[in-house]
Amino acid sequence: AQKVTQAQTEISVVEKEDVTLDCVYETRDTTYYLFWYKQPPSGELVFLIRRNSFDEQNEISGRYSWNFQKSTSSFNFTITASQVVDSAVYFCALSEAGSGGSNYKLTFGKGTLLTVNP
Amino acid sequence: DAGITQSPRHKVTETGTPVTLRCHQTENHRYMYWYRQDPGHGLRLIHYSYGVKDTDKGEVSDGYSVSRSKTEDFLLTLESATSSQTSVYFCAITGGIASGNTIYFGEGSWLTVV
Repeated sequence: AQKVTQAQTEISVVEKEDVTLDCVYETRDTTYYLFWYKQPPSGELVFLIRRNSFDEQNEISGRYSWNFQKSTSSFNFTITASQVVDSAVYFCALSEAGSGGSNYKLTFGKGTLLTVNP
Repeated sequence: DAGITQSPRHKVTETGTPVTLRCHQTENHRYMYWYRQDPGHGLRLIHYSYGVKDTDKGEVSDGYSVSRSKTEDFLLTLESATSSQTSVYFCAITGGIASGNTIYFGEGSWLTVV
């Protein structure tokens, strides 16, 4: 069975600090996808990134960066120079990548509430 | 933004009444999903569809049924709503490889059962 663990329930930082959100996953699949979603106070789920299991390159998008390490089954998310607008719940999720109807079912972590204070 | 519309966005209903939530997409994607979000549980899969009239159960399917009579619409029905079904419901879609294996979510439907 697949499992995603976000050990940090809540994190509070001051604006301009860097912050890393941890994500550890478990799966028996050799091919899978990892996702990060942002849920701001307004409630919608915003897609941030998808990474497949064959691509361990780190990715940077503006102030956001992701560190994928298969050896430790981790897919951590770093926000550099945090801003108040980054305050949200962040979810890490894992999906299968097999064939058939069960494709793309997501297993979510329980989320990390990030509060960025001015 | 992915073209996903959920309706209603907010609903209060009484215990024992039937409720139907609608997910409508304009992307012509094959796969559609219903999740519920509850404090302490994150998001959990209720049902999913991999084509018209092709559906299957997820992790928390008891008390729910779904239907997909056309590509663009995926309906979630609570036959007889209970207080434990008070939750936020999210629809998700993906075209699989056709959409870069990216999964997008609707804006959510807040359901309160009193």
